[in-house]
Amino acid sequence: AQSVAQPEDQVNVAEGNPLTVKCTYSVSGNPYLFWYVQYPNRGLQFLLKYITGDNLVKGSYGFEAEFNKSQTSFHLKKPSALVSDSALYFCAVRDVWTGYSTLTFGKGTMLLVSP
Amino acid sequence: GAGVSQTPSNKVTEKGKYVELRCDPISGHTALYWYRQSLGQGPEFLIYFQGTGAADDSGLPNDRFFAVRPEGSVSTLKIQRTERGDSAVYLCASSPAGGDTGELFFGEGSRLTVL
Repeated sequence: AQSVAQPEDQVNVAEGNPLTVKCTYSVSGNPYLFWYVQYPNRGLQFLLKYITGDNLVKGSYGFEAEFNKSQTSFHLKKPSALVSDSALYFCAVRDVWTGYSTLTFGKGTMLLVSP
Repeated sequence: GAGVSQTPSNKVTEKGKYVELRCDPISGHTALYWYRQSLGQGPEFLIYFQGTGAADDSGLPNDRFFAVRPEGSVSTLKIQRTERGDSAVYLCASSPAGGDTGELFFGEGSRLTVL
């Protein structure tokens, strides 16, 4: 079975400060990891993914995430937060080796960026 | 259209009624997924189609839920004898293929309220 944990229901950060949204995962084999963002009354939008290669991946809107195999983590980061980054963020995982082709999502973390 | 389209955007029904939710994926996408998102939770996998066939329906909660994709494009999620616990946002997503490395493209969802 595959699973994702997002330990924080909400993250608060001031505009201009760095932000981190945490994610840990559990899979039987190797993971494919994803971050999605959901704005109010909108569908989920893809931000970035880790498949293989460099542990630091860069995505849309200045976001990046670092894959850490030993800690089974894939934390989302941004050097300087914007008020417009306020949204609900979901981490998701696929297990490569078992061939399980669907994404399993975490419960989400609300990011609130204050002016 | 350019994105995944879901109709209706909102559906209010009474307990015990039958409901159909429609998903029109991005043209050419062979993989189609249904997820359910309850308040305060991440998307929960329901069913995955590769072409016309359901490749994985392990997420359907019980036999009141059924989905079809007869021509390999539009899909309909059918819920019989609705219960209040079925109230949620039903999300549809598509991808070019069922490959593990691709991200999913989500629609804005159909919000189902069972009174």
